[in-house]
Amino acid sequence: GQQLNQSPQSMFIQEGEDVSMNCTSSSIFNTWLWYKQDPGEGPVLLIALYKAGELTSNGRLTAQFGITRKDSFLNISASIPSDVGIYFCAGEDYGGSQGNLIFGKGTKLSVKP
Amino acid sequence: KAGVTQTPRYLIKTRGQQVTLSCSPISGHRSVSWYQQTPGQGLQFLFEYFSETQRNKGNFPGRFSGRQFSNSRSEMNVSTLELGDSALYLCASSPGLNTEAFFGQGTRLTVV
Repeated sequence: GQQLNQSPQSMFIQEGEDVSMNCTSSSIFNTWLWYKQDPGEGPVLLIALYKAGELTSNGRLTAQFGITRKDSFLNISASIPSDVGIYFCAGEDYGGSQGNLIFGKGTKLSVKP
Repeated sequence: KAGVTQTPRYLIKTRGQQVTLSCSPISGHRSVSWYQQTPGQGLQFLFEYFSETQRNKGNFPGRFSGRQFSNSRSEMNVSTLELGDSALYLCASSPGLNTEAFFGQGTRLTVV
């Protein structure tokens, strides 16, 4: 079946540093989503990407839909303590159902003030 | 606009019991999905409902079931609970048959 690899598994950074994480899949996706989950909460949708090559920003967050349609990355600039959490990517190869979404295992981000 | 509401937030059950979890989607959203989240397996899709019909089902045993009501509210039921069912159960809603999902805070189920 389809596999989605998210890396790194965890990151420990200093406040103010930039962060980059990515996801790669074994097959082509038509949609990439990035979520953030705080402890004890549900995931919150950060950015949605629908077109190969698409680059979308949401404040200090920037995500790109890879040109091969098999990868996506998320950058966080000038990290702050509230960026702490687990970031998930999710991809889908054909639309119309959340059941077609495949989630990465997550990147746990820790920020040292 | 209120977000996705899940009740209860926390639940402790004994092996062999059954449990029902509830989800109220964002007002106007007609699609509701359920996910199981565990440290080892990550987020796993359980099922999706749209207009009271199950549209999609994940790879879970028949002990896991769900339904959606005419007001789009949804419930999921797990019968004959096993220790391995301990997890965070998340509900997500979306306006229609699209991928973007808005998650609730989840129900933390512990089976002892």
